[in-house]
Amino acid sequence: DTEVTQTPKHLVMGMTNKKSLKCEQHMGHRAMYWYKQKAKKPPELMFVYSYEKLSINESVPSRFSPECPNSSLLNLHLHALQPEDSALYLCASSQESGPYYGYTFGSGTRLTVV
Amino acid sequence: AQKVTQAQTEISVVEKEDVTLDCVYETRDTTYYLFWYKQPPSGELVFLIRRNSFDEQNEISGRYSWNFQKSTSSFNFTITASQVVDSAVYFCALRKETGKLIFGQGTTLQVKP
Repeated sequence: DTEVTQTPKHLVMGMTNKKSLKCEQHMGHRAMYWYKQKAKKPPELMFVYSYEKLSINESVPSRFSPECPNSSLLNLHLHALQPEDSALYLCASSQESGPYYGYTFGSGTRLTVV
Repeated sequence: AQKVTQAQTEISVVEKEDVTLDCVYETRDTTYYLFWYKQPPSGELVFLIRRNSFDEQNEISGRYSWNFQKSTSSFNFTITASQVVDSAVYFCALRKETGKLIFGQGTTLQVKP
């Protein structure tokens, strides 16, 4: 299995809703990442988990809450989002978090906040 | 400061033409890694190549080739005999010691039949 699987592929939520994005990999990778990508822009790093511990939080608003229940699973909990949070949310994993290792990206969740 | 610049926002070519996508980077690290990713309309970022700072050997993979020149801090990507399926956004990226991937702004390539 050489994939990163993200669910759901599309999500529409209201500003008062609570929802979660899910990311799963079975490659034995010990680093996992959340990126946010607005239209016609490059991906921007949100969070890095290394060995199931949060190692980088790029000053992301608290309405985004990551969780890494185990080495294969990464969640992003969403609460009280704003319309400007609408974007493609990409999950990625790598063998380790060091610079040598390339990422494997999932196909993303397209989030629309109404 | 670490930065990746892709000066070409959009490129349009006709099928079978060769096309080069430019990438210029800035870093003070002596060890670093450069990447190219392809993002088709489906959204997934597809890994194309990784190059470390100590390996300036150019690489060819089928119709794709990469020219890494440390002297000019460039890592350019050439597609030979382009095809419609090559249409996508292409990102050049620099990986820091922390593992953070710094992307350029991307180049949208449109290949017309």
